[in-house]
Formats: sequence, C-alpha cells, structure tokens
Amino acid sequence: EAGVVQSPRYKIIEKKQPVAFWCNPISGHNTLYWYLQNLGQGPELLIRYENEEAVDDSQLPKDRFSAERLKGVDSTLKIQPAELGDSAVYLCASSLGAARNDEQFFGPGTRLTVL
Amino acid sequence: KQEVTQIPAALSVPEGENLVLNCSFTDSAIYNLQWFRQDPGKGLTSLLLIQSSQREQTSGRLNASLDKSSGRSTLYIAASQPGDSATYLCAEGQGGSEKLVFGKGTKLTVNP
Repeated sequence: EAGVVQSPRYKIIEKKQPVAFWCNPISGHNTLYWYLQNLGQGPELLIRYENEEAVDDSQLPKDRFSAERLKGVDSTLKIQPAELGDSAVYLCASSLGAARNDEQFFGPGTRLTVL
Repeated sequence: KQEVTQIPAALSVPEGENLVLNCSFTDSAIYNLQWFRQDPGKGLTSLLLIQSSQREQTSGRLNASLDKSSGRSTLYIAASQPGDSATYLCAEGQGGSEKLVFGKGTKLTVNP
C-alpha cells in the first residue's frame, strides 16, 4: 500500500516568489493535515481537512498561505509571496478520520528554502 | 497553551543497551499519545499509538507507556541497535480537537 506522497521533495525560491506543495494521502483516508516543521522543532499544525472541508485552519497565516482539497483527495498548499522565515519542512499527513484522533501517517515532506 | 516536553534532547548509548525516552504533557484531557521516529531529511514514521484508555503498547523491541495522572509517557527501546539512531518525537492527541501537539524530540545515537 502506498503511503502519503508529497512533491516536490525540495524547493529553493527567492523571497517574494510564489510556491506550491502537493500532497496525495493514503487511499481511503478522509482526514488530511498540513504541518510546518522548523529545524529542531516538532511539527505544528497549519490546517486540517475532513474530506474537502477545512475544519481547522486557525494556525494558517491567511495573508500569504492558502490551501485547497477540491475533490476531497489531493491537496495543495500555497505560499504567496514567500518570506525568508518560511524556510522549513512542510509535512502532509492523513488519517482514516473514522474516529477522533486516529493514527496519523506522514509523508516525506517538502523542504523549502527561501533565499 | 498545552505543551509537550521531551527529555533528554539528545542521548548517546552503546549498542545493546536498553534505554528510556521521556515525554511529558500538560493536557489532562488527552485522547491518545503517539510516538514517531524521524530520520534525517525524512518524514515521520509512526511507531506506537496509545489510546487514553490504555496504559501501554508494544511493538517488537519497543514498549510505550502512558500515565495520564502524572502527564507522562515513556518509550522503552530494548537491546538498542545502530539502526535505531534517529530523532524520536512524541505527540499528544488533544481532547476537543483532532490535532497532534508535538514535543521537540529526542535525538538518539546508538554507537556500534
């Protein structure tokens, strides 16, 4: 069974440029999460989707970050414009969503460097 | 603000040693606790999930315990191997929400 797939794995951009990350969750997983992980820190939740609905986006900086999960499967996270402080690893995770706090499975992440 | 703390931040042991990693949390309404492993430049691999109604879970050489009353969880690794070298993160599934709150991790090095 394929795990959570993310692309690209690495991205280097200049500040003020836009960037987008893509995630394909485990088949059948209704809940999808985007996390941000800074160096030496644990991941922090940015947004959680139940199917196509964003049910928790309280930690998403909405002035420059946006996300979508149009058909309730794949998801895209966008930053526009990127700032130096956005350099981090962006992790996508998914869970069945059938019960509260199901086990979460993580993708390999996208490492973003903003120059 | 709910916090998850992991001590020590780094640990170095010789191969074959049994070891314990510690995790403490402040949310008494914890739903579950999940232990992950993260290799350099990689994503997180789920190791063990303990529901709030459980006291421990075991998988191979790994055993995780949960004590809600003291706000602590431990991950016990038996007969450590160099391949166990990685960063281990614990994460609390918070009551009232679906999100995980992570500690900063313990970086484990097992020396041959």
